[in-house]
Amino acid sequence: GENVEQHPSTLSVQEGDSAVIKCTYSDSASNYFPWYKQELGKRPQLIIDIRSNVGEKKDQRIAVTLNKTAKHFSLHITETQPEDSAVYFCAAGDAGNMLTFGGGTRLMVKP
Amino acid sequence: NAGVTQTPKFRVLKTGQSMTLLCAQDMNHEYMYWYRQDPGMGLRLIHYSVGEGTTAKGEVPDGYNVSRLKKQNFLLGLESAAPSQTSVYFCASSYRGGPYEQYFGPGTRLTVT
Repeated sequence: GENVEQHPSTLSVQEGDSAVIKCTYSDSASNYFPWYKQELGKRPQLIIDIRSNVGEKKDQRIAVTLNKTAKHFSLHITETQPEDSAVYFCAAGDAGNMLTFGGGTRLMVKP
Repeated sequence: NAGVTQTPKFRVLKTGQSMTLLCAQDMNHEYMYWYRQDPGMGLRLIHYSVGEGTTAKGEVPDGYNVSRLKKQNFLLGLESAAPSQTSVYFCASSYRGGPYEQYFGPGTRLTVT
């Protein structure tokens, strides 16, 4: 089955700096790569996703890049703000809509 | 729209007790999922359903059973709870095919003593 590795497990940045979280996956059949944000005590919520026919996608301060050859994808957050502090999960999915999640990254943005 | 809802929000069980977690969605989604979330391990799929009357095993199905008698509801049962089942349980739903975004419920925090 699919295996998704996520790094780093914790990330601390200064407000205004950029943050990058990286994930690798194992199954070349995966074609959908969402990123979820989970605030403390809350449900995971989708913040951005990318499909295998696209190499990069951007939404305001958030961008995701995908390298299918190397089987890795990354989340980039620019101009970080304290409200970006949360746990971020990457996932890899297939046409059947089954997702395999990474272990999560706790992002702390220091004011 | 309420989206995806879960009951109860919290529960404490003694080892060996049984319980059922209820998930409901009002988005007319075909697919529904049950995950458990443990520290440092992300979300792991327990069981899922691709339509009313169907269920299938996920990554960590042992000790759990599920039923999908109505399209909008997905039940997760623990027949004999064990301390290893202490976790936060999330239900999710999505449209068929795609792949499409999975919408998550608010979670149930279960402690087994």
